Amino acid sequence: KAGVTQTPRYLIKTRGQQVTLSCSPISGHRSVSWYQQTPGQGLQFLFEYFSETQRNKGNFPGRFSGRQFSNSRSEMNVSTLELGDSALYLCASMGLNSAGELFFGEGSRLTVL
Amino acid sequence: KQEVTQIPAALSVPEGENLVLNCSFTDSAIYNLQWFRQDPGKGLTSLLLIQSSQREQTSGRLNASLDKSSGRSTLYIAASQPGDSATYLCAVQTGANNLFFGTGTRLTVIP
Repeated sequence: KAGVTQTPRYLIKTRGQQVTLSCSPISGHRSVSWYQQTPGQGLQFLFEYFSETQRNKGNFPGRFSGRQFSNSRSEMNVSTLELGDSALYLCASMGLNSAGELFFGEGSRLTVL
Repeated sequence: KQEVTQIPAALSVPEGENLVLNCSFTDSAIYNLQWFRQDPGKGLTSLLLIQSSQREQTSGRLNASLDKSSGRSTLYIAASQPGDSATYLCAVQTGANNLFFGTGTRLTVIP
């Protein structure tokens, strides 16, 4: 059974640009959540989607947005990139019968120059 | 707001030693607690999940305990091996379906 797949794995952008990251959850999982990991702030929750609806949102500015498609794949978008957005962005999926256990992808490492 | 703390931040032990990693949280109203392992530049691997109604979980050489009333969890690793070297993160899940992570303990097992 395939795990959580995130693309791209690495990318470099410049300030002011926008970026879109993709996450394909484990087959059958309908919940996808996103996290930002930085050396200074650690892992912080961005948002969670379930059945194409945002169910919960962390404390990030509106430049960070996401969506989920009918096949449970999810994308997150960051507009008007800032240097501080450089981070490892992790996606996790959860199944209905997994008792809340999260399964993470390898992450997308974003560098903003 | 839930705050999760992990002590120590870093730990070095010789191979074969048993060790304990600590995690504390401020709000006992949790849904579950998970321990993860993260290798450098990689994603998180789930190690153990303890439901709020449980006291401990075991998997191989790993044992995690949970004391909700005191806001504490420990991860016990028996007979440590160099392959156990990684950062270990604990995370508590609230009813709002998001996780609050600790800052991690970086473990080095010396051959």
